[in-house]
Amino acid sequence: DTGVSQNPRHKITKRGQNVTFRCDPISEHNRLYWYRQTLGQGPEFLTYFQNEAQLEKSRLLSDRFSAERPKGSFSTLEIQRTEQGDSAMYLCASSHPGTFVANYGYTFGSGTRLTVV
Amino acid sequence: AQSVTQLDSHVSVSEGTPVLLRCNYSSSYSPSLFWYVQHPNKGLQLLLKYTSAATLVKGINGFEAEFKKSETSFHLTKPSAHMSDAAEYFCVVSDLGNQFYFGTGTSLTVIP
Repeated sequence: DTGVSQNPRHKITKRGQNVTFRCDPISEHNRLYWYRQTLGQGPEFLTYFQNEAQLEKSRLLSDRFSAERPKGSFSTLEIQRTEQGDSAMYLCASSHPGTFVANYGYTFGSGTRLTVV
Repeated sequence: AQSVTQLDSHVSVSEGTPVLLRCNYSSSYSPSLFWYVQHPNKGLQLLLKYTSAATLVKGINGFEAEFKKSETSFHLTKPSAHMSDAAEYFCVVSDLGNQFYFGTGTSLTVIP
């Protein structure tokens, strides 16, 4: 399968615990994105990597959130000291290494649904 | 600043009748526009995209969208709805950057 893969699909955690999600992009895509989608809303941008460099971060990405892409391949998103407001679908996407991502669009993974209880 | 407004949060149509999902955009630049579909428990799938070529864009599964600069609109249409079209649809705008700006979505129900 050459799509974007996200693990786990679902995660239930207690408030205050740390969680980590993984994203494996399409192999030839050097750009990787994380979005968050809350119930009834469209996805909101969190952060963007080009290869291993994290080039953009949203104000939504508080200090409790950290994302890495150490070798320019897979990426992890960690949330520390989870809060109930962190409950959402976390989506990963990757895109073609063209000049403008707007020309190609993203390929999204199926997401990780986080529930904080 | 870039943003999109999806004018209907819910649309219901009968199977075999036309579908119209409305989207208006705001962009400081010449935008790229997309429609994505999200089926329950599935990832977002690209339906079609406009990137300053032809204003009438054809996508997958019989969907089309027309870019109208004067109206700042990018409405999604399909001549005949199928049961499998029932899903959440998102209109998306992008400028020269790397972020996509999603609308709040339109839930399409297809009545048999």
